[in-house]
Amino acid sequence: AQSVTQPDIHITVSEGASLELRCNYSYGATPYLFWYVQSPGQGLQLLLKYFSGDTLVQGIKGFEAEFKRSQSSFNLRKPSVHWSDAAEYFCAVVGGSGTYKYIFGTGTRLKVLA
Amino acid sequence: NAGVMQNPRHLVRRRGQEARLRCSPMKGHSHVYWYRQLPEEGLKFMVYLQKENIIDESGMPKERFSAEFPKEGPSILRIQQVVRGDSAAYFCASSPPGSANEQYFGPGTRLTVT
Repeated sequence: AQSVTQPDIHITVSEGASLELRCNYSYGATPYLFWYVQSPGQGLQLLLKYFSGDTLVQGIKGFEAEFKRSQSSFNLRKPSVHWSDAAEYFCAVVGGSGTYKYIFGTGTRLKVLA
Repeated sequence: NAGVMQNPRHLVRRRGQEARLRCSPMKGHSHVYWYRQLPEEGLKFMVYLQKENIIDESGMPKERFSAEFPKEGPSILRIQQVVRGDSAAYFCASSPPGSANEQYFGPGTRLTVT
C-alpha cells in the first residue's frame, strides 16, 4: 500500500541550528513529492515540490529537500532555523500523471528554542 | 489571482446538527478535492469532484457525508447529524484541467462539534 512516514513526531532545535526533517515513502513508481508547512490554526503552505529532474529542490523560506530514490526518501533541510519556522511540517506524495490522491504523512512538529 | 477560498473558517455545531462547508476553487480550476485532518493526524483524501460530477468518493464515510460541485457556485461538503468524531479540519484543494496531481490547498474549515 502507498504510504508516507515521517518518523519524528516532534523535533526541537535551537535558533540558528541546522534542521533536517525526515520523510520516507512507499510507492510503486516515482511519485511527485511535496513538503508543506502548517502554522497553528492555519492552512497549508507549499514549501517545495519535486516532479522530476534535479534531485535537490530549492523552496521558499530557505528550505531545500533532496530526493533519494534508492532510500525512498525526501528529507527537508534548512541550514539555519529561525524562530518563525516553528510549525508543523507535512510530507506528501501523489502518483504521476492522471493520479490525484495526495497521501500525507502524520507530520513533524518543530519547536525552536531562542 | 485569488487562491482557493473556504468558508466559514471556523464552524461550531451541536451534535445532531448539519454542517455545510464551502469551497471556491482558484480561477480556471475545474477540479475540487476535499481532505480531512483529524487531530494530530495528516490530511486524508475524501472526495474528488468536477463540475456536476463526483469522480471518486472512496474516502468519504458511507453515511451522513455528501459533496457536490454544481455548475454554478462553490463546492459544498455537507455533514448531516454531526457527531463529536466529525470535529476536524476540512481542507479543499483545486487543480486545473489535466493537472490533477498539482493541487492548491485552501485555508481549511475547522469544525468543532459540541
